[in-house]
Amino acid sequence: AQSVTQLGSHVSVSEGALVLLRCNYSSSVPPYLFWYVQYPNQGLQLLLKYTSAATLVKGINGFEAEFKKSETSFHLTKPSAHMSDAAEYFCAVSGNNDMRFGAGTRLTVKP
Amino acid sequence: KAGVTQTPRYLIKTRGQQVTLSCSPISGHRSVSWYQQTPGQGLQFLFEYFSETQRNKGNFPGRFSGRQFSNSRSEMNVSTLELGDSALYLCASSIGQGLEDTQYFGPGTRLTVL
Repeated sequence: AQSVTQLGSHVSVSEGALVLLRCNYSSSVPPYLFWYVQYPNQGLQLLLKYTSAATLVKGINGFEAEFKKSETSFHLTKPSAHMSDAAEYFCAVSGNNDMRFGAGTRLTVKP
Repeated sequence: KAGVTQTPRYLIKTRGQQVTLSCSPISGHRSVSWYQQTPGQGLQFLFEYFSETQRNKGNFPGRFSGRQFSNSRSEMNVSTLELGDSALYLCASSIGQGLEDTQYFGPGTRLTVL
């Protein structure tokens, strides 16, 4: 069985500050890992995806995530937050014909 | 290229009724997956269809069913609605089979059960 834990349901940063959203996963098979962003009243948009090709994955809008097998983590970072980054972020793991999402982290960006 | 479309966007039903939601995938995509999003349970996988066949299924009761047509469009049906079925239902499409493939999500259908 697979699972995802996102640490921190709410994260608040100042504009221009580092964004760090935490995700830990559990999987019995080599996982595929995803980060999605959801804006109000919209569906999910893929930010980035890990497929074992490289441990550091670069995504859209300046986001990146690093896969650390020893820590079973896949944290999302962005060097400098922008007001438009305010949204809800979901980490997800797929494998074994199943897909599991974390509970989500709501990111607030203060001016 | 047009994105994933879902109809209707909003729906209000009463307990005991049934409902059908529709999803049109991105042109050329052959896989459609459905998800339920609620404040309490979060995002949960319902099922995946590829080439008109259900390939994967999440842990939902049999009241939740779906189908896929030859043009890859998909419908999801919920029978005997319960209050707890109130949710945002998201559809996603991908080119190939399997949940590992990159999925593109639609805007969702918000179902309210009264």
